[in-house]
Amino acid sequence: TQLLEQSPQFLSIQEGENLTVYCNSSSVFSSLQWYRQEPGEGPVLLVTVVTGGEVKKLKRLTFQFGDARKDSSLHITAAQPGDTGLYLCAGATGANSKLTFGKGITLSVRP
Amino acid sequence: KAGVTQTPRYLIKTRGQQVTLSCSPISGHRSVSWYQQTPGQGLQFLFEYFSETQRNKGNFPGRFSGRQFSNSRSEMNVSTLELGDSALYLCASSLGGAQETQYFGPGTRLLVL
Repeated sequence: TQLLEQSPQFLSIQEGENLTVYCNSSSVFSSLQWYRQEPGEGPVLLVTVVTGGEVKKLKRLTFQFGDARKDSSLHITAAQPGDTGLYLCAGATGANSKLTFGKGITLSVRP
Repeated sequence: KAGVTQTPRYLIKTRGQQVTLSCSPISGHRSVSWYQQTPGQGLQFLFEYFSETQRNKGNFPGRFSGRQFSNSRSEMNVSTLELGDSALYLCASSLGGAQETQYFGPGTRLLVL
């Protein structure tokens, strides 16, 4: 069973602060996806990382895939209240496989 | 393009009853996956259907079943409901499979009393 552990589980910060959250596994993934879910809605894809060591930027969000493709991090610069939500990472092991999701990180950004 | 739609959005049932949830994927998407989301367990994969065939299955009891129609619409059925089945049930569609980008619907919130 491939497990994805996300940390921290909960995070409450002030607007303008920086933060980094993590997604770790003992398994190797062919790709890793990050989603954000807001209350009352389904998750929405933020980014997919495929290559070990890959770094992708989405405005103030920076995603990194570990060299060994077992872990990933998400860094948010100058967090804003609109960043509030549940951040989920999900890993795939190959074609015709399913995604394994972590339990998520609940982020609250206070104005 | 219209997004993934799920009906109903909310449902209250009692133990022992059965329930059917419906999902309409994004036009052109042939893969439909179902997930159960609870605060304790997070998002757990139930099953995936691709071109009317179940292609992947998670670790859920046989009370959970699904099907997909020729127009890619999918239904999920839960029989003999238990209190622990209370959850948000999410449907997601994708072009090629459950390992690709999942486009989620808003979910069906099921409460079992």
